Amino acid sequence: EVQLVESGGGLVQPGGSLRLSCAGSGFTFSTSWMHWVRQAPGKGLVWVSGIKSDGSTTSYADSVKGRFTISRDNAKNMFYLQMNSLRAEDTAVYYCTRNIGAADTHWGQGTLVTVSS
Amino acid sequence: EIVLTQSPATLSLSPGERATLSCRASRTVSNYLAWYQQKTGQAPRLLIYGASNRATGIPARFSGSGSGTDFTLTISSLEPEDFAVYYCQQHSNWPITFGQGTRLEIK
Repeated sequence: EVQLVESGGGLVQPGGSLRLSCAGSGFTFSTSWMHWVRQAPGKGLVWVSGIKSDGSTTSYADSVKGRFTISRDNAKNMFYLQMNSLRAEDTAVYYCTRNIGAADTHWGQGTLVTVSS
Repeated sequence: EIVLTQSPATLSLSPGERATLSCRASRTVSNYLAWYQQKTGQAPRLLIYGASNRATGIPARFSGSGSGTDFTLTISSLEPEDFAVYYCQQHSNWPITFGQGTRLEIK
């Protein structure tokens, strides 16, 4: 069974940093594109960042470019989102996803990030 | 950035009725279009990929059609568990984008 489990969310002050992690199991992690998607309270889904299977290609939404960094460790079946200079508008549930939009898409259950003083 | 516009924003129907949800792209996405269902407090669930292919385990009452810029998700006969929010998503071009969602509510 495919599982994606996020961790690392929590309450952080504006300007602070947080690192989200996502652990994958039940599939060949090293051949999968991985993405982060977020959803602010009561709002729609917004793609944040994606990373190619071997880590050679990354992409970011304009709203997080220069502040967030996506990375992965295929040996550990883990991938990450380092979030710096956090703002109130970054408050959301963050989902990790595999191969978004494809037949073998899977989503984690999400981790809540709250940016507030 | 490709903008996906979903209509209507809210659709009020009764169980047993047919639902037709629309997604229009600001420029062509070929068939790189997926549909998701999301219920309150849950992660999105893939329904359709490649514009018209049902994902594993998705009932036959769900169908997708379209290519290029105009896409449709049809639910042939609504079941009580189908009332939720539906999103379309394109992965033809970076950045990946989602529509704003259609809320399907019980009339």
